Amino acid sequence: EAGVAQSPRYKIIEKRQSVAFWCNPISGHATLYWYQQILGQGPKLLIQFQNNGVVDDSQLPKDRFSAERLKGVDSTLKIQPAKLEDSAVYLCASSLPGGETQYFGPGTRLLVL
Amino acid sequence: KQEVTQIPAALSVPEGENLVLNCSFTDSAIYNLQWFRQDPGKGLTSLLLIQSSQREQTSGRLNASLDKSSGRSTLYIAASQPGDSATYLCAVDSGGSNYKLTFGKGTLLTVNP
Repeated sequence: EAGVAQSPRYKIIEKRQSVAFWCNPISGHATLYWYQQILGQGPKLLIQFQNNGVVDDSQLPKDRFSAERLKGVDSTLKIQPAKLEDSAVYLCASSLPGGETQYFGPGTRLLVL
Repeated sequence: KQEVTQIPAALSVPEGENLVLNCSFTDSAIYNLQWFRQDPGKGLTSLLLIQSSQREQTSGRLNASLDKSSGRSTLYIAASQPGDSATYLCAVDSGGSNYKLTFGKGTLLTVNP
């Protein structure tokens, strides 16, 4: 069974530029999560989708971050414009409906200069 | 607001030693607690999940305990090996229908040959 796929793996941009990350969850997993992990910290939930709908985006900085999940499968997370403090690893995870176990992708490492 | 603390932040042990990693959380009203492993440049892998009604879970050389009333969990690793070197993260699910995880900062474990 294929795991959670993410791309790109690495991205370097300058502040005020835009960037987008892509996630393809495990087949059949209705729930999708985006986390931000700053160096030395644990992952922090940014947004949670159940199929196409947003379940929780309380910690998403909505003035610059946006996310969508079209057709309830793939998802993209966008930052526009990026700030230095957005440098982090962005992790995508998925789970079965009602499932307690989240399966994580390898993450996208973002460096904002 | 749930807060999760992990002690120590880093631990270095010789191969073969038994060790304990600690996790504490501020709100005892949890649904479950999970221990994850994170290798450099990779995503998280779930190691053990303990339901709030359980006291411990075991998988191979790993044993996790939970004392919900005191807000503590420990991860015991027996006969450590160099391949156990990684960051270990504790996460609590505070319940509800969203399965929202709050992570600690992790313990960086190094097992020396």
